[in-house]
Amino acid sequence: GQSLEQPSEVTAVEGAIVQINCTYQTSGFYGLSWYQQHDGGAPTFLSYNALDGLEETGRFSSFLSRSDSYGYLLLQELQMKDSASYFCAVRRSGGYQKVTFGIGTKLQVIP
Amino acid sequence: NAGVTQTPKFRILKIGQSMTLQCTQDMNHNYMYWYRQDPGMGLKLIYYSVGAGITDKGEVPNGYNVSRSTTEDFPLRLELAAPSQTSVYFCATGREGSGNTIYFGEGSWLTVV
Repeated sequence: GQSLEQPSEVTAVEGAIVQINCTYQTSGFYGLSWYQQHDGGAPTFLSYNALDGLEETGRFSSFLSRSDSYGYLLLQELQMKDSASYFCAVRRSGGYQKVTFGIGTKLQVIP
Repeated sequence: NAGVTQTPKFRILKIGQSMTLQCTQDMNHNYMYWYRQDPGMGLKLIYYSVGAGITDKGEVPNGYNVSRSTTEDFPLRLELAAPSQTSVYFCATGREGSGNTIYFGEGSWLTVV
């Protein structure tokens, strides 16, 4: 089976940096991605890592270590609009694409 | 380009009733998914499809059925609705070669009373 673990809640100050961790257990790992979901909205794609290392997209960066089955999402220069839930998701390799999501981390940005 | 369109957006069902959540996409993606999200929880995969005529169960398929007769449409059928099926349902699509990029519809809020 598959399992993902991430913190349920994180609070950070506007303008600061926050890191949201994700550890996973799965057979046939293919890649790790991150999604953002505002209250009442749909999840939207943020980033994807298939290889070890850091991927940067503007204020957001995502890191993956396949040997440690670990990744994180780094949000810099936090803004109030970044208050949302953040989900990590794993895709397994193989013939069919089945993506499993973590339970999500609710980020609250405070002034 | 509408992307992923779900209907209805809101629905109240009585216990034992049946209904179909509609999902259609215009992105020509081969993969389609149905997820449910309970309040304050993550997304759980109900069913998925890798192309027309091919569907498979996800983590929580009981009480649901799907079909995929065309690339565009992936309806989710709820038979004999139960209060435990009160949730937000998201239809989503993806395509081979896009990594884990999944595109979600706006969601359907379903309450079973």
